[in-house]
Amino acid sequence: ETGVTQTPRHLVMGMTNKKSLKCEQHLGHNAMYWYKQSAKKPLELMFVYNFKEQTENNSVPSRFSPECPNSSHLFLHLHTLQPEDSALYLCASSQFQGPNSPLHFGNGTRLTVT
Amino acid sequence: GESVGLHLPTLSVQEGDNSIINCAYSNSASDYFIWYKQESGKGPQFIIDIRSNMDKRQGQRVTVLLNKTVKHLSLQIAATQPGDSAVYFCAENSKRVANAGGTSYGKLTFGQGTILTVHP
Repeated sequence: ETGVTQTPRHLVMGMTNKKSLKCEQHLGHNAMYWYKQSAKKPLELMFVYNFKEQTENNSVPSRFSPECPNSSHLFLHLHTLQPEDSALYLCASSQFQGPNSPLHFGNGTRLTVT
Repeated sequence: GESVGLHLPTLSVQEGDNSIINCAYSNSASDYFIWYKQESGKGPQFIIDIRSNMDKRQGQRVTVLLNKTVKHLSLQIAATQPGDSAVYFCAENSKRVANAGGTSYGKLTFGQGTILTVHP
């Protein structure tokens, strides 16, 4: 149990579908993140939310749309994705106020775009 | 060894041996470093961290060494076990960003990882 729960664990979707990834953290943290992990590439930061406000959008295409209704929940809405978007999408949380606080990750959603 | 942003090296050891995983970082302004372990099918798991005012920090069976002169970080695992087999990432806190409230936070930059395989 990591304290950060992601659903679904696996998702296969066509390029015309719309789906959402869900993340919930039980650690009392106030910052949440979406990362993309592709094969043979470092973890790529996508979005950061601090106290429900988006503080970072790392030049992510608009076909990815995040939503953070409260400090414990984070969504990533997906639409008209491309095959190259297939990857492991990781959610993480941290205590934002501390500049030196580690991220706590969920186990990710393995996304396959067909 | 591993360098942030480059190839994915591998390390193969026998059970009971000590393992050393290396990481070179590029930003001399980085002041906080973390090691993560990622097992197959799971997300990265925090192992140990170290601040730049320290050279060494020990945890349970793990030690992190920081050499700021050559910008090098290493993770030592004592008495390596098959359960230690995983991909190990280093991360550096290299960029400061201020939020609307004026509090600064660092953005973590991750290395590509080192694959550790432990043979029984």
